[in-house]
Amino acid sequence: EIVMTQSPATLSVSPGERATLSCRASQSVSSNLAWYQQKPGQAPRLLIYGASTRATGIPARFSGSGSGTEFTLTISSLQSEDFAVYYCQQYNNWLLTFGGGTKVEIK
Amino acid sequence: EVQLVQSGAEVKKPGESLKISCKGSGYSFTSYWIGWVRQMPGKGLEWMGIIYPGDSDTRYSPSFQGQVTISADKSISTAYLQWSSLKASDTAMYYCARGTPPRNYFDYWGQGTLVTVSS
Repeated sequence: EIVMTQSPATLSVSPGERATLSCRASQSVSSNLAWYQQKPGQAPRLLIYGASTRATGIPARFSGSGSGTEFTLTISSLQSEDFAVYYCQQYNNWLLTFGGGTKVEIK
Repeated sequence: EVQLVQSGAEVKKPGESLKISCKGSGYSFTSYWIGWVRQMPGKGLEWMGIIYPGDSDTRYSPSFQGQVTISADKSISTAYLQWSSLKASDTAMYYCARGTPPRNYFDYWGQGTLVTVSS
């Protein structure tokens, strides 16, 4: 099983600032990496797939990068609606796995 | 419009059986995978398993193999997650989500089904 490790667990950021979230895989997943956003009481929402491709309707302030074992989700200028929990997920093989999540909170 | 609509919240006793559902619409149900994801209270997302309704090919996470059964009825565009004997530790929110072939990231999600198991 590929273990996905996200850091930090909690990120405190002021509105308008940049947020950088990390996701590390225990072995290479190539570019088969997705990012999701989950707000309280809601289902997760796909933000990024293929490590760097924004899903339909996702604002350009969200960007993904990386390949192999190291990945980053960047939110260029945090808006109030961006405070949420973010999960990465690898889909390089049939045993899909999620990271533990990063909570982005208001500083 | 793609939609996944899940069945309503359930309250069960330990040892009881349960089957929850996820109905897809707005797309070709047999051309995409449907995955199930567990979220225990205050915790993260855990992938449980996935099914391809076109031919019922099913894969399970080792953590859930033997604990649940995933099935689908393509004639009514519905996937299912079932337990034969619930435990208190099965209390969680369960989401279905559409997996995009050939690799499975989840582009559409159901609203979730809350399952509470308590004596």
